[in-house]
Amino acid sequence: QQKVQQSPESLSVPEGGMASLNCTSSDRNFQYFWWYRQHSGEGPKALMSIFSDGDKKEGRFTAHLNKASLHVSLHIRDSQPSDSALYFCAASEPNVGDNSKLIWGLGTSLVVNP
Amino acid sequence: EAAVTQSPRNKVAVTGGKVTLSCNQTNNHNNMYWYRQDTGHGLRLIHYSYGAGSTEKGDIPDGYKASRPSQENFSLILELATPSQTSVYFCASGDGFSYEQYFGPGTRLTVL
Repeated sequence: QQKVQQSPESLSVPEGGMASLNCTSSDRNFQYFWWYRQHSGEGPKALMSIFSDGDKKEGRFTAHLNKASLHVSLHIRDSQPSDSALYFCAASEPNVGDNSKLIWGLGTSLVVNP
Repeated sequence: EAAVTQSPRNKVAVTGGKVTLSCNQTNNHNNMYWYRQDTGHGLRLIHYSYGAGSTEKGDIPDGYKASRPSQENFSLILELATPSQTSVYFCASGDGFSYEQYFGPGTRLTVL
């Protein structure tokens, strides 16, 4: 069973619209979450991280974490065609000796239509 | 900004042949990783390393070996390539503290 599950698998939004991506962990040990973005033909690149309950905003991107439900979301305001990419959620356990491994979801493919 | 490079960018190999994928990073990160990416499977960890001379098995190590001869270089070796190893391979580096990983551009491997 996938320990980090993402939904939806794919998403299409109009330019200027709001895109909302979801991620849920089935392991309560995973409390650190990352969002990565991968444009076609490139490697993934870290977008933002969230470790505390609540919202974290960086420009047009807002991540929300609810540790009780192990749910994290990413909201992209005023979506641009350049936001079209594959978005990965990744999770990790804090305070573990092997603190370098990330557990990855399968990704959400976002298409922003001009 | 962190820089991770991979070579070759594209490779066609024959079944049973030996393939070596190379990765170089210039950020002085201790940790390096090899992943493969396939549609429907996301990113799967093959091998990783905590520093020069160390290699650790990831989630899908069978059929792969890794080598970390220096802080900067990390290789993935397919001793006997099979068609099931056709994939896109990504190398990444990380400092091991922030959990952030920096990825290379990927190598597309086709095994015929």
